[in-house]
Amino acid sequence: SQKIEQNSEALNIQEGKTATLTCNYTNYSPAYLQWYRQDPGRGPVFLLLIRENEKEKRKERLKVTFDTTLKQSLFHITASQPADSATYLCALRGGGSYIPTFGRGTSLIVHP
Amino acid sequence: DSGVTQTPKHLITATGQRVTLRCSPRSGDLSVYWYQQSLDQGLQFLIQYYNGEERAKGNILERFSAQQFPDLHSELNLSSLELGDSALYFCASSVGGWDRGETQYFGPGTRLLVL
Repeated sequence: SQKIEQNSEALNIQEGKTATLTCNYTNYSPAYLQWYRQDPGRGPVFLLLIRENEKEKRKERLKVTFDTTLKQSLFHITASQPADSATYLCALRGGGSYIPTFGRGTSLIVHP
Repeated sequence: DSGVTQTPKHLITATGQRVTLRCSPRSGDLSVYWYQQSLDQGLQFLIQYYNGEERAKGNILERFSAQQFPDLHSELNLSSLELGDSALYFCASSVGGWDRGETQYFGPGTRLLVL
């Protein structure tokens, strides 16, 4: 069956360090993958999209990689700040599918 | 502020009842998506409408239905409510469809509590 897996355990890091979050998937051939940020009780906010033919995408302190061989995307936040503390969701669209599928998210906690 | 509005913000009702959740997409967006988010299930896609037509269906229960009106606002109807329907319900919108990789803009959500 199709699955998207994100670490269920919270990631705790110190301010200034790089946070790396993982999104693994099985039985998908995604055309693209998106990352969203969600704060408690609020709707997800889009951060980055990466397509199947792209290896890496950057936006300010954010970087996403996409390895279709490993079936994995990594999401990096450099020089992390306490304000980056939130849950980060990955979402993908399988080839030929109109249905968005989200991972359950990983909570990031950045300590001052 | 994403530009997507949802009403009401909170809803408390009893089992067996019916409720209607409303969503207004961002100006210019033709697609509306509905999601359910509970602690044990994560963000689950329910249904998508594009310019008034149903485009995609996820794990939406038969007790739930939705529609998109000519002015592009959408309503999600939940009937014969059960305790397990308690969740956050999000609406999102995009210009076109998910198939193009377009950004979805999420509303603030409606928190439904079924007692």
